[in-house]
Amino acid sequence: ETGVTQTPRHLVMGMTNKKSLKCEQHLGHNAMYWYKQSAKKPLELMFVYSLEERVENNSVPSRFSPECPNSSHLFLHLHTLQPEDSALYLCASSQEPNRGYTEAFFGQGTRLTVV
Amino acid sequence: GQNIDQPTEMTATEGAIVQINCTYQTSGFNGLFWYQQHAGEAPTFLSYNVLDGLEEKGRFSSFLSRSKGYSYLLLKELQMKDSASYLCAVHASGGSYIPTFGRGTSLIVHP
Repeated sequence: ETGVTQTPRHLVMGMTNKKSLKCEQHLGHNAMYWYKQSAKKPLELMFVYSLEERVENNSVPSRFSPECPNSSHLFLHLHTLQPEDSALYLCASSQEPNRGYTEAFFGQGTRLTVV
Repeated sequence: GQNIDQPTEMTATEGAIVQINCTYQTSGFNGLFWYQQHAGEAPTFLSYNVLDGLEEKGRFSSFLSRSKGYSYLLLKELQMKDSASYLCAVHASGGSYIPTFGRGTSLIVHP
């Protein structure tokens, strides 16, 4: 069992649906991240929240909308997605600053399929 | 920007030794991570190298050469459970503290 919990583990949604992914960390960390992992591609950083403020958004389409209500919870709101958005969405957390580097702890991910 | 390259797939025999290479090009370098990811599971942290040389942790060792932009992960006494994807990630300086990941190397260990 990891200290980072994601729900749901699997999600199938239509292109017109609205859904949300949830992430909760029990490690007392102050930074949380969303990554997208597609087959045969590197992990792509989507959003970073440090101390509950968004600090990085790597040109992610607006159909993905993050929310970080507190340091333990992170959401990714999804609407009008495309089939190419089907992927594994991973949440991670870390403590910043931390001995000069970031060791990220990952959740088990949400396997998203857009139909 | 950063460019990270590692082999897509490797196979090895149980009990053997395997070396997974990672080369990188980055403007500013703070350190290099290795993560292990089993199918359908979360990536888990294996090692972090910031200085040149070899860091050993049980059956796993990680090596770094900053001048060559090169790292490798060495797995000894391979076990079937070592079949997984191994992700190399570079931590660059000058701004974001977030590591950039390579595509990962899928290691298959067979009897």
